[in-house]
Amino acid sequence: AQTVTQSQPEMSVQEAETVTLSCTYDTSESDYYLFWYKQPPSRQMILVIRQEAYKQQNATENRFSVNFQKAAKSFSLKISDSQLGDAAMYFCAYWDNDMRFGAGTRLTVKP
Amino acid sequence: DAGVIQSPRHEVTEMGQEVTLRCKPISGHDYLFWYRQTMMRGLELLIYFNNNVPIDDSGMPEDRFSAKMPNASFSTLKIQPSEPRDSAVYFCASSLASSGSGNTIYFGEGSWLTVV
Repeated sequence: AQTVTQSQPEMSVQEAETVTLSCTYDTSESDYYLFWYKQPPSRQMILVIRQEAYKQQNATENRFSVNFQKAAKSFSLKISDSQLGDAAMYFCAYWDNDMRFGAGTRLTVKP
Repeated sequence: DAGVIQSPRHEVTEMGQEVTLRCKPISGHDYLFWYRQTMMRGLELLIYFNNNVPIDDSGMPEDRFSAKMPNASFSTLKIQPSEPRDSAVYFCASSLASSGSGNTIYFGEGSWLTVV
């Protein structure tokens, strides 16, 4: 079974700065999907960004981008120009027939 | 689209009582997932359905838990009898399993269950 590892339980960033959240995964598949979800205090799970494994180009959504290293099975999330509203739990997830989540990284944004 | 709709949003019940959580997936989605989130265990996949058929229920903690999907627009997760350790946020999610959608899962707002 695939596993998703987020090695940073907590991260902190100054407002307007850039922060990178790490994620590694384990799989024997060659075609799959990777996601980052954000969970603010409201507990709503919100999709931030997704990456298809067969696409070499890193996905980008406004201030959010990923660094996808397929050979290394690494999928990090970069948040540029951090805003107070970015404070949340961030979950990395892997899809191949079902969705598995990492343990999450709690991001604090300091004003 | 209204998104994934869950009910109740909050429930407090006494130990031993039956709890039924309900979910309406996004119309047209053919995958439905039930997750449980706790501080200790994080997000756990309990069960998921494809075209109303349970595909993997290996995450269901024990026989007290059961899930059904009688039709494409409705699913239930039942706990009977409930125990304090079942207290958690239960999420329902759905997705359209086509390559075009990238299999993005859309979550409901969750059902906060407290068993006292």
